[in-house]
Amino acid sequence: DGGITQSPKYLFRKEGQNVTLSCEQNLNHDAMYWYRQDPGQGLRLIYYSQIVNDFQKGDIAEGYSVSREKKESFPLTVTSAQKNPTAFYLCASSKKAGTLNTEAFFGQGTRLTVV
Amino acid sequence: AQSVTQPDIHITVSEGASLELRCNYSYGATPYLFWYVQSPGQGLQLLLKYFSGDTLVQGIKGFEAEFKRSQSSFNLRKPSVHWSDAAEYFCAVTAPSNTGKLIFGQGTTLQVKP
Repeated sequence: DGGITQSPKYLFRKEGQNVTLSCEQNLNHDAMYWYRQDPGQGLRLIYYSQIVNDFQKGDIAEGYSVSREKKESFPLTVTSAQKNPTAFYLCASSKKAGTLNTEAFFGQGTRLTVV
Repeated sequence: AQSVTQPDIHITVSEGASLELRCNYSYGATPYLFWYVQSPGQGLQLLLKYFSGDTLVQGIKGFEAEFKRSQSSFNLRKPSVHWSDAAEYFCAVTAPSNTGKLIFGQGTTLQVKP
């Protein structure tokens, strides 16, 4: 079945460490996205990528980095510069920008806790 | 600025009662509109979507929503709520040119009383 796989489901990190969250999709989608979810704040866009080897900052990119070396994969690194990294992270994908009448699909999320 | 407002943070309804969740948006052009549902610790599941045409759209699980351009609203409704509908509901908007770049409301948590 086609879908988006995020791993791991739960992740614990010590302060000062970088950590990478995985996101893989087999929907043949060109565009991929990372969102952060905090209680009472909805979801906020961190980074997105419309095509391989290209990505753009979203609304809250500081302290995060991404890469897009393959169409299927869009890993997110939470760096030690991120002041408050504990959150629920959601990955999404959609068809090529400009494709009409289409929507985004979401993975099951990764809960990151800084200990 | 583009934004989505869900005025009700928390709603409690009795099982079998009707439900309406409100969503208002501020957007420069005609947007695509969505309602997603999220169970605790899970990802987002699409309930329904509006792209164009008929302003009353039907979704999964018996939900429907009506787009009212004059009121900049996209309220979600269900005639009879089931206990399994208890979850968090998110309204979102996006431009047709980039459908994954969503602007979300803060969410409404639905509690269902037996």
